[in-house]
Amino acid sequence: AQSVAQPEDQVNVAEGNPLTVKCTYSVSGNPYLFWYVQYPNRGLQFLLKYITGDNLVKGSYGFEAEFNKSQTSFHLKKPSALVSDSALYFCAVRDWGYSTLTFGKGTMLLVSP
Amino acid sequence: EPEVTQTPSHQVTQMGQEVILRCVPISNHLYFYWYRQILGQKVEFLVSFYNNEISEKSEIFDDQFSVERPDGSNFTLKIRSTKLEDSAMYFCASSDSGLADITDTQYFGPGTRLTVL
Repeated sequence: AQSVAQPEDQVNVAEGNPLTVKCTYSVSGNPYLFWYVQYPNRGLQFLLKYITGDNLVKGSYGFEAEFNKSQTSFHLKKPSALVSDSALYFCAVRDWGYSTLTFGKGTMLLVSP
Repeated sequence: EPEVTQTPSHQVTQMGQEVILRCVPISNHLYFYWYRQILGQKVEFLVSFYNNEISEKSEIFDDQFSVERPDGSNFTLKIRSTKLEDSAMYFCASSDSGLADITDTQYFGPGTRLTVL
């Protein structure tokens, strides 16, 4: 069965500093990985995905994620954090042959001015 | 940019009552999903729907739950007799390719918060 782990409940970073939100996964076949963000009173917004190819995936709002097959990780990164990036971030995995997404528990990102 | 919409944003009901949560998926999408998130827990898959039938469902999606696409635009989740443990945020999602395309992306609505008293 597929699973996702987000080891940090919360990540704190100062505005202008780089940020990393961690995600590790487990799937039986090739992983298809996604990051979503949830702002207060909003739904899950798609940020980026990894299907195949380049290990560094670029997405919306300046975010990027690095796929590492040997470490089974898909960490979300941004070179310079903004206060407006403060939100709840979810990593998700999809296994081949299934349309369902399996989500991590989410990581709250707090960016201080 | 097209969005998935959901109504109501918040539903309060008494235990044992029936509720219907409504979703309008993105107009050209063919695959529809319901997920839920109990407060403080993970987002969990409930059901996927394509071509007017359920294509996948989780263990959570028991006989108390049903889904329907009553017309060309709405997609509904019905809970027949609500229980306290059904209290959660329910998210609708849609996508255009589903299993046909592994690169398929699901787009989520803002959610309906269901509170069962």
